Amino acid sequence: ILNVEQSPQSLHVQEGDSTNFTCSFPSSNFYALHWYRWETAKSPEALFVMTLNGDEKKKGRISATLNTKEGYSYLYIKGSQPEDSATYLCAFGTGTASKLTFGTGTRLQVTL
Amino acid sequence: EPEVTQTPSHQVTQMGQEVILRCVPISNHLYFYWYRQILGQKVEFLVSFYNNEISEKSEIFDDQFSVERPDGSNFTLKIRSTKLEDSAMYFCASSMGWTGTDGYTFGSGTRLTVV
Repeated sequence: ILNVEQSPQSLHVQEGDSTNFTCSFPSSNFYALHWYRWETAKSPEALFVMTLNGDEKKKGRISATLNTKEGYSYLYIKGSQPEDSATYLCAFGTGTASKLTFGTGTRLQVTL
Repeated sequence: EPEVTQTPSHQVTQMGQEVILRCVPISNHLYFYWYRQILGQKVEFLVSFYNNEISEKSEIFDDQFSVERPDGSNFTLKIRSTKLEDSAMYFCASSMGWTGTDGYTFGSGTRLTVV
């Protein structure tokens, strides 16, 4: 059974704070690690897909890193804004299966 | 920007009834998926579909579940005889590549409530 864990479960920060979350996943049989942003009542939106150890990706104020040898990925948000409030999901894919295994998500709330 | 659309957004059904959840994936995507999230739990995989057949299914996807792509645009999930434990948010997704190396595009979900 593949286990994907995310921490923290929830986070409450003030506008302007920088923050980061962790996703840990099995280090064997790795193929891809996805990050999604999921706002309430909307569909999960793909942020990043990373496939290589040491990958770093950036989209605006959000960036992510990947360590496949030790089985973790970090998502960073610089200068959080209220519109960043959402649940951030990571999902792990192996090369032998066509499915993603999701973590429980980190629920971020950014207040003024 | 292309979207995956799901209908209905909410469905309430009686236990034992059949339901069909509908999805229109992105037109040039090749892989199609159904996932679900029971309230308070993780998003979990149900089934993947490629080249007009099931690629993979989870242990949840038993004989009560079936998928179909009847007309080249719609992708449906049928639950033949719903149980209380089928109550969940059901998400359809599509991707261009295997295990979504470009990322999945998700629909906004159908909330199924079985009473």
